[in-house]
Amino acid sequence: NAGVTQTPKFRVLKTGQSMTLLCAQDMNHEYMYWYRQDPGMGLRLIHYSVGEGTTAKGEVPDGYNVSRLKKQNFLLGLESAAPSQTSVYFCASSTDPGRRIPGRTLDQQFFGPGTRLTVL
Amino acid sequence: AQSVTQPDIHITVSEGASLELRCNYSYGATPYLFWYVQSPGQGLQLLLKYFSGDTLVQGIKGFEAEFKRSQSSFNLRKPSVHWSDAAEYFCAVRPHTGTASKLTFGTGTRLQVTL
Repeated sequence: NAGVTQTPKFRVLKTGQSMTLLCAQDMNHEYMYWYRQDPGMGLRLIHYSVGEGTTAKGEVPDGYNVSRLKKQNFLLGLESAAPSQTSVYFCASSTDPGRRIPGRTLDQQFFGPGTRLTVL
Repeated sequence: AQSVTQPDIHITVSEGASLELRCNYSYGATPYLFWYVQSPGQGLQLLLKYFSGDTLVQGIKGFEAEFKRSQSSFNLRKPSVHWSDAAEYFCAVRPHTGTASKLTFGTGTRLQVTL
């Protein structure tokens, strides 16, 4: 059980280049999220997905696109990278927070190890 | 919209000393509250969470947190810090309602432990 994995771990891009970050989870979670982490700003939500084939914007979606073609994968794309997108990107997954099982609390996000992206 | 404030950017404590990391939130009702820890180069790991009930919550690694509604606070505590606790700590909140578990994070507190 690998949990949440992210590829690649590191990447350096030139301004204007494109790339895709892959997030995979093997916990059968319905919800998946992409965050960026910048010094002094904590984590900010970019996009999220509440199920296969669905995506929604988070707090800072501009310049990013996402896709959830398979339940276990959530892709984050940068079509034309900018230096302002230099950051550490984290993926997370969780069960449906609206689902309740007596005696258990399920509402927890599990995070991947992160991808450090530098845009020159 | 909810918000989280962690007023201490950086804290240094001696190994064996007690620790308290502050977290204040702003929200119209009682939210769900979380503390995460991030070791250098790693992702975030959940330490503990508060949903309802007992306002003193026990977590992993000997941490606990107390929810105080009157102060809108959810401070993290540990009676005796170990050198391995050096990391960055994030407080997070999310509302009880809504279709997605959208967390709002504080800006983090970096803990340094001296020997």
